[in-house]
Amino acid sequence: DGGITQSPKYLFRKEGQNVTLSCEQNLNHDAMYWYRQDPGQGLRLIYYSQIVNDFQKGDIAEGYSVSREKKESFPLTVTSAQKNPTAFYLCASSIDLAGIWATDTQYFGPGTRLTVL
Amino acid sequence: KQEVTQIPAALSVPEGENLVLNCSFTDSAIYNLQWFRQDPGKGLTSLLLIQSSQREQTSGRLNASLDKSSGRSTLYIAASQPGDSATYLCAVGVGGSEKLVFGKGMKLTVNP
Repeated sequence: DGGITQSPKYLFRKEGQNVTLSCEQNLNHDAMYWYRQDPGQGLRLIYYSQIVNDFQKGDIAEGYSVSREKKESFPLTVTSAQKNPTAFYLCASSIDLAGIWATDTQYFGPGTRLTVL
Repeated sequence: KQEVTQIPAALSVPEGENLVLNCSFTDSAIYNLQWFRQDPGKGLTSLLLIQSSQREQTSGRLNASLDKSSGRSTLYIAASQPGDSATYLCAVGVGGSEKLVFGKGMKLTVNP
């Protein structure tokens, strides 16, 4: 059963703590992405990765960090430097980076809702 | 800077109506345009993808058109059903970069 999984579904964090959101895919996709979604807002790109051990900042990377040690995994760490981390976080993957193949779409995971207490 | 706009932000209609959802973008240098569906608290599901060289795509009761020169796309939903209730997002693939730019979405409610 192929797809993208994200865990946990809900996450609560105290101020000053770092938390890591998990994203795993078994679609054999090279590219992976992290987005943030706030109420009434479109998705904003945090980080993306084209290949193992390589990743690039998106539009709102400050206060976040990622790693890509394995093709199927792209965890996101929300650090204490992120001033307003409460949001819905979505992970996505595509065969290759969007733009290289105009026919590629992105496949999304179910999301993690992070709340800072 | 590419901007994507979806108006209105919400729409409520009775079951059975044919619907047109609008999406506009400011820069015509796109490589594709995609329509996604999002159910409450869930991830996005791709509905239709139109390459920049195409004019329209169809899937079942859905038809999406693209007019690059005017910076517009429409998603047509025929014979709407309560199960179509969701938020619909439009996104454009930005030429020369690796990312999608999303609109804020339109929340559709189809009443039985």
